[in-house]
Amino acid sequence: DARVTQTPRHKVTEMGQEVTMRCQPILGHNTVFWYRQTMMQGLELLAYFRNRAPLDDSGMPKDRFSAEMPDATLATLKIQPSEPRDSAVYFCASGLEGTGGTGNTIYFGEGSWLTVV
Amino acid sequence: AQSVTQLDSHVSVSEGTPVLLRCNYSSSYSPSLFWYVQHPNKGLQLLLKYTSAATLVKGINGFEAEFKKSETSFHLTKPSAHMSDAAEYFCVVTSFSGGYNKLIFGAGTRLAVHP
Repeated sequence: DARVTQTPRHKVTEMGQEVTMRCQPILGHNTVFWYRQTMMQGLELLAYFRNRAPLDDSGMPKDRFSAEMPDATLATLKIQPSEPRDSAVYFCASGLEGTGGTGNTIYFGEGSWLTVV
Repeated sequence: AQSVTQLDSHVSVSEGTPVLLRCNYSSSYSPSLFWYVQHPNKGLQLLLKYTSAATLVKGINGFEAEFKKSETSFHLTKPSAHMSDAAEYFCVVTSFSGGYNKLIFGAGTRLAVHP
């Protein structure tokens, strides 16, 4: 059963520490999304990659967040330095998007639950 | 611009009774629409999707949704609720913007199922 895999599932860290979240997209998918979910803001798109290239990171705080895809099987989201307001669930999702921009399905991982104290 | 409105933030039903979760969308072109479910402490799971084929879409776990263009609605229904259906449900519309399909999420509807 193909699925998006995220690590760590849970992370508690102290303010100021670096946090790296990892995502393995479904094999063969060419798009990767990072979302953040909080009670107050709901689901927010942080970054979007197609064929490993970052196409949209307008939702991401640039001063402390960074997202990369070192290869087709790994996407990372890094926060440095972390702050208590970063406490949230971070979801990775992947999909297969062809040319022409059709409404293809994206599949979500189980999330990384981050608490910054 | 595309948008989606979930008309109820909370819905409470008794086990065995029908479920109706309402969603209205706004789109300047023929949209793709999805329903996702999120159980407590879990990720989002696709329930069903509409992509301009049949207007009545059947999903997993007995859920279905009907695309009504005249009403700009995509309500989610299930004939008989089960305790395991208690979760948060998100209606989603795609928005082609900036060269790719961005998912626009509704605020979510929390479904409670009582014995």
